Amino acid sequence: LAKTTQPISMDSYEGQEVNITCSHNNIATNDYITWYQQFPSQGPRFIIQGYKTKVTNEVASLFIPADRKSSTLSLPRVSLSDTAVYYCLVGARVDNYGQNFVFGPGTRLSVLP
Amino acid sequence: EAGVTQSPTHLIKTRGQQATLRCSPISGHTSVYWYQQALGLGLQFLLWYDEGEERNRGNFPPRFSGRQFPNYSSELNVNALELEDSALYLCASIPARQTNTEAFFGQGTRLTVV
Repeated sequence: LAKTTQPISMDSYEGQEVNITCSHNNIATNDYITWYQQFPSQGPRFIIQGYKTKVTNEVASLFIPADRKSSTLSLPRVSLSDTAVYYCLVGARVDNYGQNFVFGPGTRLSVLP
Repeated sequence: EAGVTQSPTHLIKTRGQQATLRCSPISGHTSVYWYQQALGLGLQFLLWYDEGEERNRGNFPPRFSGRQFPNYSSELNVNALELEDSALYLCASIPARQTNTEAFFGQGTRLTVV
């Protein structure tokens, strides 16, 4: 499972665009990149997943450069309700050797009024 | 379609007692993961069950154990409870042996050891 590195915390203001970058230098050819969001006292929830270039859904965009050694989660015009911890996972692949959904410490985003 | 359900929502136990936490995955999902999340900290991987078998476990002592039943629901048992076991315990389910898929989480069980 590719190791990931994210900033521990970020602050932003309402209405701003927030970009959270995740480094994954050892990403494998078949690995996808997945981001989860977790609010306090709740389980994480899936935000977005991508393999290369750009993916966009109603919640966020995910930018992946050609070398795929990093990815950037972009949250447009954040609101107070976007305050949460954001986790980047790479290669959440299930195989006989127990590749697991192992979460790193994530990025704690605080949106300020 | 029902999501992942966990019970109980809250559990208060005394140090030294045993706690049993339950998880029902989404229908059709055969893999169940358990995580421990202490207050303000990240998710620590505990156990992974798939098709009724324990496939892997995280760096936790043997007093953390569990099982998966034929209907793919799962139980987490924590014996000889210690104060530091107080945490939110989360269960997640994924479809069987799919690559690059999404994990679906329950709302968790808040275990408090006093």
